[in-house]
Amino acid sequence: GESVGLHLPTLSVQEGDNSIINCAYSNSASDYFIWYKQESGKGPQFIIDIRSNMDKRQGQRVTVLLNKTVKHLSLQIAATQPGDSAVYFCAAFEADTGRRALTFGSGTRLQVQP
Amino acid sequence: NAGVTQTPKFRILKIGQSMTLQCTQDMNHNYMYWYRQDPGMGLKLIYYSVGAGITDKGEVPNGYNVSRSTTEDFPLRLELAAPSQTSVYFCASSYSQGLNPYFGAGTRLSVL
Repeated sequence: GESVGLHLPTLSVQEGDNSIINCAYSNSASDYFIWYKQESGKGPQFIIDIRSNMDKRQGQRVTVLLNKTVKHLSLQIAATQPGDSAVYFCAAFEADTGRRALTFGSGTRLQVQP
Repeated sequence: NAGVTQTPKFRILKIGQSMTLQCTQDMNHNYMYWYRQDPGMGLKLIYYSVGAGITDKGEVPNGYNVSRSTTEDFPLRLELAAPSQTSVYFCASSYSQGLNPYFGAGTRLSVL
């Protein structure tokens, strides 16, 4: 089955710096990936997504990079702000399991230091 | 536009009690999902539904049941609550498989 994991459980950055959150996945048939942000006591909030036919996608202050060769996904946040402090999850759709739902990683906590 | 609404927000159950977690969405989404999130962990899929009358098991379905009699509602039933079911439960919906799901605010459940 799918294993979607994160390299670091906690990432601490200075306000204004760029943040990079990494995610590895094991199922090469995964064809759609999403990054979510979860603040304390709230549900996951969509940040950005990318399909497997793309290598890079940019949003407002965020960029997702997909390397299918090594099955790696990253989320880059530019000019990190205190409001970016949260837990970030990557999630993937697996095209070959018949299960039409996301598989989530365990999350990375981003702490922004003032 | 309310989106995905979950009730209750909090609940404490005694071992062996039963309850239903309610989830409703007003976006006319076909796909609906139930996830549980244990402390410090990611979300694990319990059940999902691709449309009214169709449900399927996820990763951790044991101890739960679901039904999907309408497009809007997707209740999750716990028949005999156990301490291992202490968790935060999230309901989500999406228009199709290929689009990102929208999540509700969650139901925090403690079984004591």
